[in-house]
Amino acid sequence: NAGVTQTPKFQVLKTGQSMTLQCAQDMNHNSMYWYRQDPGMGLRLIYYSASEGTTDKGEVPNGYNVSRLNKREFSLRLESAAPSQTSVYFCASRGRDYGYTFGSGTRLTVV
Amino acid sequence: QQQVKQSPQSLIVQKGGISIINCAYENTAFDYFPWYQQFPGKGPALLIAIRPDVSEKKEGRFTISFNKSAKQFSLHIMDSQPGDSATYFCAARPGSYIPTFGRGTSLIVHP
Repeated sequence: NAGVTQTPKFQVLKTGQSMTLQCAQDMNHNSMYWYRQDPGMGLRLIYYSASEGTTDKGEVPNGYNVSRLNKREFSLRLESAAPSQTSVYFCASRGRDYGYTFGSGTRLTVV
Repeated sequence: QQQVKQSPQSLIVQKGGISIINCAYENTAFDYFPWYQQFPGKGPALLIAIRPDVSEKKEGRFTISFNKSAKQFSLHIMDSQPGDSATYFCAARPGSYIPTFGRGTSLIVHP
């Protein structure tokens, strides 16, 4: 099925551990995004990539890094996880139309 | 600074009733106003969207009403069904730039 695929779906980390969240889209979209969703806070943009080879900070970039590996893949890395990074993370992509296509999310718990 | 204010935070409606969710914005450069629907455990999905050159857009039971002078737009769900129970996000975007999301409304439709 065409869309945005995120892995893993669930993850538990200890404080200080690192991990990479993977995202891939098969819709040939240029733009890709990483959001975090917290109760009562809506969707907050962490980083985005307007096109292959470019990345920019969003609203809440601290503690994260990203890599736009190619047009399909956009990964999010937590170098030293903190409890404040416990959240649900969504990857999204956008093509020529204006709507986003979101992945199904990664639920991350940092203990 | 919250550029898109969404209300209410939660909404309970009886089956067959009308659900109304409101959003207000400040930035007059916004020119695209989508609504996203999110079911538990899933990513948000584009539901319906409007541009400010029209005052209303209807797709099935879902209608966006747009008031440019008041800088407000709302989602109306007619004949609400239990299957409509989800979290709804409004968003606003200036041109091809990054959208700003509201904080979401949790809708419960009782049978």
